[in-house]
Amino acid sequence: DADVTQTPRNRITKTGKRIMLECSQTKGHDRMYWYRQDPGLGLQLIYYSFDVKDINKGEISDGYSVSRQAQAKFSLSLESAIPNQTALYFCATSPNAGELFFGEGSRLTVL
Amino acid sequence: GEDVEQSLFLSVREGDSSVINCTYTDSSSTYLYWYKQEPGAGLQLLTYIFSNMDMKQDQRLTVLLNKKDKHLSLRIADTQTGDSAIYFCAESREDNAGNMLTFGGGTRLMVKP
Repeated sequence: DADVTQTPRNRITKTGKRIMLECSQTKGHDRMYWYRQDPGLGLQLIYYSFDVKDINKGEISDGYSVSRQAQAKFSLSLESAIPNQTALYFCATSPNAGELFFGEGSRLTVL
Repeated sequence: GEDVEQSLFLSVREGDSSVINCTYTDSSSTYLYWYKQEPGAGLQLLTYIFSNMDMKQDQRLTVLLNKKDKHLSLRIADTQTGDSAIYFCAESREDNAGNMLTFGGGTRLMVKP
């Protein structure tokens, strides 16, 4: 079983719909992150959390929200999806600053 | 501000050496990393170098750091078809929120048989 699990792996939705991407981890790490990947742009940080009571905005948080339900769970929501949010989304965990452990990604298409 | 740049694409023949280059702008970077992303998967840490080092070698991988020019490279010796992937460099900097990573745009390495 994967240490960092994302659901769903693929989702197609329509403009204006609310979408939630979920992430769970079995690594016992306090730090969790949500990144967005667009071709040629690398990974852009959306939100991050260093523990259950800590939520921080990243570079591109507009249009997104997160919830840290437990140490092992960190979900990303798009309240009203728009087409330019079509991307590959990654959840990651870390025991410290440097090494990130990534999930397999959630591909979101907004029509 | 910080910015990490990489070329988009590199093609080599199997058995040749590959060199993937990266430039960064934040002189306060503490660690620099190379991550590998295989098709359909998330990124995995390949190797890293501390900012006070010039070189690090790990089997087929050699990382070179020129701190003066803010240039990082990853050399893969005897490149194999299984090395085909996207390679991301990343820098770690320390700020009030703790250490954070900034990623480059990724270099797609294609290895031809």
